[in-house]
Amino acid sequence: DQQVKQNSPSLSVQEGRISILNCDYTNSMFDYFLWYKKYPAEGPTFLISISSIKDKNEDGRFTVFLNKSAKHLSLHIVPSQPGDSAVYFCAASEGQGAQKLVFGQGTRLTINP
Amino acid sequence: EPEVTQTPSHQVTQMGQEVILRCVPISNHLYFYWYRQILGQKVEFLVSFYNNEISEKSEIFDDQFSVERPDGSNFTLKIRSTKLEDSAMYFCASSRDGQRNEKLFFGSGTQLSVL
Repeated sequence: DQQVKQNSPSLSVQEGRISILNCDYTNSMFDYFLWYKKYPAEGPTFLISISSIKDKNEDGRFTVFLNKSAKHLSLHIVPSQPGDSAVYFCAASEGQGAQKLVFGQGTRLTINP
Repeated sequence: EPEVTQTPSHQVTQMGQEVILRCVPISNHLYFYWYRQILGQKVEFLVSFYNNEISEKSEIFDDQFSVERPDGSNFTLKIRSTKLEDSAMYFCASSRDGQRNEKLFFGSGTQLSVL
């Protein structure tokens, strides 16, 4: 089941620079997309979301971009901070199953001082 | 910020034994969920629960699994006869009203090891 795919298992970025995490999906019925962050020994924490009627949503240092034609979304973190080091999960849902999230494999982001 | 609490943090059991994983969702939340993550794999949806009944479940959630809200605060996941492949991190989550723009709040998880 590869409905949501994060092709980069890891990413290393210099502190202060931009981090870009990517996610692709195959199910055209997905209409709501989310990013979660996970620290070791903790559960996933909601970061930001976007509805399919938008192509961009911004919250402070975090921006999510959605390209429906390419079935691709990305998370931009600017500027990156050491506390951003975590595993980032992309997730998607469709219609009435709004909280039945389909997750990607995750990308481990490391911010280097 | 309010949080979802899960106990125990680690559970070791023998194959074939029954286990109950416990969760205390956030107090004013009405929708409850279980997800799991097998080591090295994705986080997977198991079941959602609202108004004392299952609202949706995945194909993973077979007859060996059951959920219950035995009182006003706890939400439990029971695995009747554990198998080796049930070894995973189990996450409980809750949301206020189940709408798509409502955040899911996850607990820290219970690491289940079936020997």
